[in-house]
Order: sequence, then structure tokens, then C-alpha cells
Amino acid sequence: EDKVVQSPLSLVVHEGDTVTLNCSYEVTNFRSLLWYKQEKKAPTFLFMLTSSGIEKKSGRLSSILDKKELFSILNITATQTGDSAVYLCAVDFYNNNDMRFGAGTRLTVKP
Amino acid sequence: GAGVSQSPSNKVTEKGKDVELRCDPISGHTALYWYRQSLGQGLEFLIYFQGNSAPDKSGLPSDRFSAERTGGSVSTLTIQRTQQEDSAVYLCASSQLAGGRYEQYFGPGTRLTVT
Repeated sequence: EDKVVQSPLSLVVHEGDTVTLNCSYEVTNFRSLLWYKQEKKAPTFLFMLTSSGIEKKSGRLSSILDKKELFSILNITATQTGDSAVYLCAVDFYNNNDMRFGAGTRLTVKP
Repeated sequence: GAGVSQSPSNKVTEKGKDVELRCDPISGHTALYWYRQSLGQGLEFLIYFQGNSAPDKSGLPSDRFSAERTGGSVSTLTIQRTQQEDSAVYLCASSQLAGGRYEQYFGPGTRLTVT
């Protein structure tokens, strides 16, 4: 059975800290791994990763994929209270319109 | 421009009743997805529409769930004879290309509570 596992489930840090969120997967027909930030209801897209070892960066956020060990990490440096959200990891498949999401990591950044 | 919209934003219904949830995708987006998010769970894929092709219904959890997309635009997700386990946030997303799934734009969701 395809599965996507995120850790930790929740994390509390203080402003300025650096955090690393983890996503591991066991799926067939893997195509890409995606990260989303979810505040309130609707997720917003952060990154799509298809190749191992190539870091994607956007401001203080960065992510990398390891297709051999089947995991990805999302790093956030110099965290701010506005980074508080649930971060969702999802896997996309070839020949399949499904996307399998992890349960998310709830990040709380305290002032 | 306008994003994906969903209505209602909240719906409380009694067990056994039917409900209809509506999604208005971004104009011009040919692909439309429905997801469900239960408390403490990740998003669960339900159904996918792409243009005029037959929808991919592989994620629908039971035959009480159905969806249609009229005129390639607005979509309605219908849940018949609702059960308490149907309580969740139902999210709709649209994207411009079938292969461009990473560019999904999500609506604000409908929170369904079955009492």
C-alpha cells in the first residue's frame, strides 16, 4: 500500500530558529514529491521535486529529495511567526491522477 | 483574478440527509480535483475531472459519493445518506494542464459536519 509519512507531527520553536521537516514515502510509480503550506483550510504550493540531490529554494525555505532513501526534507531558516502552519508533503504518480498526502507537520513559531 | 471558490463554507447536516458541495474553478482551468481532509489526516483524493474525459473516480470512498462537472466548469460533489464519518473539510482544486498537477490552486474548502 502506498504511504507517505511525515515527522514530526508537531513542532514548537521560537522566532529565529531553523527547522527541518521530514517526509518519507513508500509508493509505486513515483513521479514527484510536493510540499504545501496549509493555513486555515486551503494549502498553497511550495515546491515540486522530481530529481534527487537538487535543492529547491524560495527565500528562507528550501527542500531536497533523496530518491534512493525515499525521503525529502523541508528546511525553514530564521523562522517567523508567519511560518506557523501545517506543512503537507504529497507524492504524485505516473499514470494515476491520485496524489497521496502525508498527515502533515504542525509548526508553531512563538515570538 | 478570482481564485477557486467553494460553497457553502460550512455545512451542518443530520445523519441520513443528502448534501451538495459546489466548486467554481479558476476560469480556463481544465483539470478539477476533489479532496477530503478529516481531522488529523492528510488530504485524501476523491475524484478528478479533465476536460471532457470520463472522470477518475478511483478515490471515492463509497457509492454514496458522486460528482459531476457541468460544461467543463462548475463541479458538484454529492454525498447521499450522510454518515458521521463523512464529517471533514472538502477541498476542491483546479489546474491548467493535466500534467501540471503541481500547480493546483485550492479553494477555501467546505467544512461538513454530520450530526
